[in-house]
Amino acid sequence: AQTVTQSQPEMSVQEAETVTLSCTYDTSESDYYLFWYKQPPSRQMILVIRQEAYKQQNATENRFSVNFQKAAKSFSLKISDSQLGDAAMYFCAYRTLGGGADGLTFGKGTHLIIQP
Amino acid sequence: GAGVSQSPSNKVTEKGKDVELRCDPISGHTALYWYRQSLGQGLEFLIYFQGNSAPDKSGLPSDRFSAERTGGSVSTLTIQRTQQEDSAVYLCASSLGTGGPVRETQYFGPGTRLLVL
Repeated sequence: AQTVTQSQPEMSVQEAETVTLSCTYDTSESDYYLFWYKQPPSRQMILVIRQEAYKQQNATENRFSVNFQKAAKSFSLKISDSQLGDAAMYFCAYRTLGGGADGLTFGKGTHLIIQP
Repeated sequence: GAGVSQSPSNKVTEKGKDVELRCDPISGHTALYWYRQSLGQGLEFLIYFQGNSAPDKSGLPSDRFSAERTGGSVSTLTIQRTQQEDSAVYLCASSLGTGGPVRETQYFGPGTRLLVL
């Protein structure tokens, strides 16, 4: 079974600064997907970014980028120019390629606080 | 619809009562997932539906939990004889299906917060 670990229960950053959220995972599979989801107090889980393990290039979405290290099984999220609206719980998630009946495996989450 | 919708948004019930939670996936999405989010257990995958196929129920926490999906669209998660440990947020997600990262990316609804007194 796969496991996902987020070692930072809480992170705080000044508005406009850059912050990196850590995620490591354990798997014996060679192909899979990794995701970062954001969950604000409204509870709605919002997709931030997706990485396919068979792609070496790190995914980017505007101010959000990842550092995907497949050999180290590490998948960190970098948020540049942090904004107040970025404050939320951030969850790292894993999914088997063509997962069929498998859902997402989530980490415990990191609570991101943005200081004005 | 534009996104995944769930109802009710909040539900308070008494221990021992049955509850039904509803999920309406994004139009055209054939895959539907239920998750439970609780303080103690984090986010747990419960069950998956692909189209009209019979689901794999092995992720359901007990036989008090059941789920169905009518016509390959709307799904209901039913919890019978609710217990206090069932209190959690129940999230539903949908995706286009299988076969590639775009099709397999899941989009979530706002969840139903269930409180069992």
